[in-house]
Amino acid sequence: GAGVSQSPSNKVTEKGKDVELRCDPISGHTALYWYRQSLGQGLEFLIYFQGNSAPDKSGLPSDRFSAERTGGSVSTLTIQRTQQEDSAVYLCASSPQWTSGGVDTQYFGPGTRLTVL
Amino acid sequence: AQSVTQLGSHVSVSEGALVLLRCNYSSSVPPYLFWYVQYPNQGLQLLLKYTSAATLVKGINGFEAEFKKSETSFHLTKPSAHMSDAAEYFCAVSEGYSSASKIIFGSGTRLSIRP
Repeated sequence: GAGVSQSPSNKVTEKGKDVELRCDPISGHTALYWYRQSLGQGLEFLIYFQGNSAPDKSGLPSDRFSAERTGGSVSTLTIQRTQQEDSAVYLCASSPQWTSGGVDTQYFGPGTRLTVL
Repeated sequence: AQSVTQLGSHVSVSEGALVLLRCNYSSSVPPYLFWYVQYPNQGLQLLLKYTSAATLVKGINGFEAEFKKSETSFHLTKPSAHMSDAAEYFCAVSEGYSSASKIIFGSGTRLSIRP
């Protein structure tokens, strides 16, 4: 594909329900990032994958949040028992490689807008 | 739709020199504007943001940005560069003002600091 894709683009759910957000990175990109953006707080890093492993989960806000990546490609971010404060735009980004000491250019997806009622 | 243009994919300055990273946005209504920084091997972090209060916004690590409506610009500056400023910088604009408004990122500018 031409870029990072995310689905759904919009998701409205009721408090307490589980949601799954999907990210399809650019083919061949080994690094994948999830971010959460809410206007009052700016962009918040959630989790980073290198291949299928997640060396940095430091940003996950609670144990209701989890993410996995299979086949070094598609990633799913799952939020269990959603709360209203989970409402935000969830961004996924991928980059071509992990360069120790270097700066990787991240290519961002369009985001999933999550609204928890 | 909102868009952001960052002029220069790579900027190199000497340590102690002025840093100027350019950002222009397209909007008929003053948006919320952000600068993010990505240090090596780390995720993005917010550097500063403009939310229609003061036009000169001060951020972390000595950076500041000035919102100029007449020029639709939000350039990032720092009077004296430090080696630790080497990173990639992203300008971003919000599509709206609600808590779930999407932000649009620029393509990024890689800042290198020469000793």
